Amino acid sequence: EAGVAQSPRYKIIEKRQSVAFWCNPISGHATLYWYQQILGQGPKLLIQFQNNGVVDDSQLPKDRFSAERLKGVDSTLKIQPAKLEDSAVYLCASSFRLAEPRLRSYNEQFFGPGTRLTVL
Amino acid sequence: GNSVTQMEGPVTLSEEAFLTINCTYTATGYPSLFWYVQYPGEGLQLLLKATKADDKGSNKGFEATYRKETTSFHLEKGSVQVSDSAVYFCALRSLRESGYSTLTFGKGTMLLVSP
Repeated sequence: EAGVAQSPRYKIIEKRQSVAFWCNPISGHATLYWYQQILGQGPKLLIQFQNNGVVDDSQLPKDRFSAERLKGVDSTLKIQPAKLEDSAVYLCASSFRLAEPRLRSYNEQFFGPGTRLTVL
Repeated sequence: GNSVTQMEGPVTLSEEAFLTINCTYTATGYPSLFWYVQYPGEGLQLLLKATKADDKGSNKGFEATYRKETTSFHLEKGSVQVSDSAVYFCALRSLRESGYSTLTFGKGTMLLVSP
């Protein structure tokens, strides 16, 4: 089974430029997540999709970050304009269905290799 | 709010040594707890999990027990190998205000095992 694919793997840009990341989740996974992992910290959720709808974007800096999942499969995350503090690894993850906490079960999130962004 | 605290690394061990990586958490309710591992150049992989108090998660020789009384989920392995060198993340799953669940990660602990 193919894993979560992300591209590019590395990106270097100057501040105030724009950048876009792409994610292809595991086939059949309805839930897709974008995380930001700053060096020395754990991943922080930016946005969560269920199919093509957003279910949580409370931690997404909406003045410069945007994300879409138009057909409920692939997703893109965009930063415009980039700031120095956006330097991080951007991780995409997917899971089979939205976790239902009341059932106390867990639908494992499968992570892609990430895109390392450096803003100069 | 919810948070996860891990011991700082790097943790440096010789092969076959005993490993403990401490993890404590703060959360309301009854979160599920996880350990993820990140090998160099790869994405995070789920290592083990526990969904309720006193549960023990185990995988690949690693173990962790969900201790509600001490709000801890320490990772242990009896004999580490060079191939265990990686960054280990403790995480909890909690219910957000939106009604959906999400993962909260600790900062990660790097493990370096030498031959």
